[in-house]
Amino acid sequence: DIVMTQSPDSLAVSLGERATINCRSSQSILYSSTNKTYLTWYQQKPGQPPKLLIYWASTRESGVPDRFSGSGSGTDFTLTISSLQTEDVAVYYCQQYYSIPLTFGGGTKVQIK
Amino acid sequence: QVQLVESGGGVVQPGGSLRLSCEASGVTLSTYGMHWVRQSPGKGLEWVAFIRYDGGNKYYADSVKGRFTISRDNSKNTLYLQMRSLRTEDTAVYYCAKVWVAGLFSFRAHFDTWGRGMMVTVSS
Repeated sequence: DIVMTQSPDSLAVSLGERATINCRSSQSILYSSTNKTYLTWYQQKPGQPPKLLIYWASTRESGVPDRFSGSGSGTDFTLTISSLQTEDVAVYYCQQYYSIPLTFGGGTKVQIK
Repeated sequence: QVQLVESGGGVVQPGGSLRLSCEASGVTLSTYGMHWVRQSPGKGLEWVAFIRYDGGNKYYADSVKGRFTISRDNSKNTLYLQMRSLRTEDTAVYYCAKVWVAGLFSFRAHFDTWGRGMMVTVSS
């Protein structure tokens, strides 16, 4: 199984400041046949299902504010919120869909400082 | 607007069975691969099962293999998860999720739409 390790478990950031979440996979999730990295970032607010933010490691889903960006390659990935807003308070998960079983990171809780 | 609505959850004793349904509106499910994902109270997300758009391929997490069965009735635009021999550790909110692109043979696709979730509680 591919293990997804997120850090930190939680972080508190001032409004308007940058938030950075890291995710590491235990093996490469780059699929050579498509040259795409099968990593997704989701946002989950209390009582709600996860919401797709980023797929293929760096492609922003339609309608997602451009303050959210994904980067990384190989086994190390980052979700950046460039200017934290109150509505960004949530838990963020990375997920690999390269191999079965699909696996998620443990989540990172983002709060306002 | 695409919507997925789960139903069939509730409280069941250990060893019991339940069948979850996920009904779609605004989309023809028969062309999309579908997943079940669960989330134990206060915990993270755990992938449970996948079924290809035509029902041809099915995959399961080891934790549910042999106890859970994923299926679909494309004529009813509905996905199912039959859960048997339930354990207390199966207690969770169960979400169905749709992959983003139609007609894909592979499981290698991100989820673009999730249901609201359905609580399953396994307790004596």
